[in-house]
Amino acid sequence: DAGVIQSPRHEVTEMGQEVTLRCKPISGHNSLFWYRQTMMRGLELLIYFNNNVPIDDSGMPEDRFSAKMPNASFSTLKIQPSEPRDSAVYFCASSPGQYTGELFFGEGSRLTVL
Amino acid sequence: AQSVTQLDSQVPVFEEAPVELRCNYSSSVSVYLFWYVQYPNQGLQLLLKYLSGSTLVKGINGFEAEFNKSQTSFHLRKPSVHISDTAEYFCAVSDPGNQFYFGTGTSLTVIP
Repeated sequence: DAGVIQSPRHEVTEMGQEVTLRCKPISGHNSLFWYRQTMMRGLELLIYFNNNVPIDDSGMPEDRFSAKMPNASFSTLKIQPSEPRDSAVYFCASSPGQYTGELFFGEGSRLTVL
Repeated sequence: AQSVTQLDSQVPVFEEAPVELRCNYSSSVSVYLFWYVQYPNQGLQLLLKYLSGSTLVKGINGFEAEFNKSQTSFHLRKPSVHISDTAEYFCAVSDPGNQFYFGTGTSLTVIP
């Protein structure tokens, strides 16, 4: 079975540019999560969708960040404009649904903003 | 809200020695408990989980964890570690709303 698929795996961009990260969750999973991981702050939840609807976006750092889930098989995390402090590894994870088990993580997208 | 505390940020241990990574949580509701492992430049992988039933849970790679409700703990153990166990380990809980809460991680270094 295919796991959670993220793209790109690595992205290097310049400050001010728009960045779009993509995620394909595991088929049949109803919940999708975006996390950010840095050395300083560890693993942070950015946003959580259930049945394509954003449930909790309190972790989104600021208006420069936006996330969408237009259908059950695709989600994007967009940063516009990007800043050097956005450099991190961004993980997408999916789960079967409420109170039904664990998160399945993608391999992450490593973002470097120069 | 729930919270997870991993008491040790770094744990060095000699190869073939036993190890325990500590995890405490706080919650006013029933939760599920998890341990994840992250190898360098990879995503998080599930080691083991406690959903219900026996409080001693066995996972992959010889790891096990014991759920202690009275102490709100879920410590991870392995009787004999290998070099390949060097990684970051995360404890996590999920609540009925499917929110997941992660600890800050414990870096396990196995010394030859």
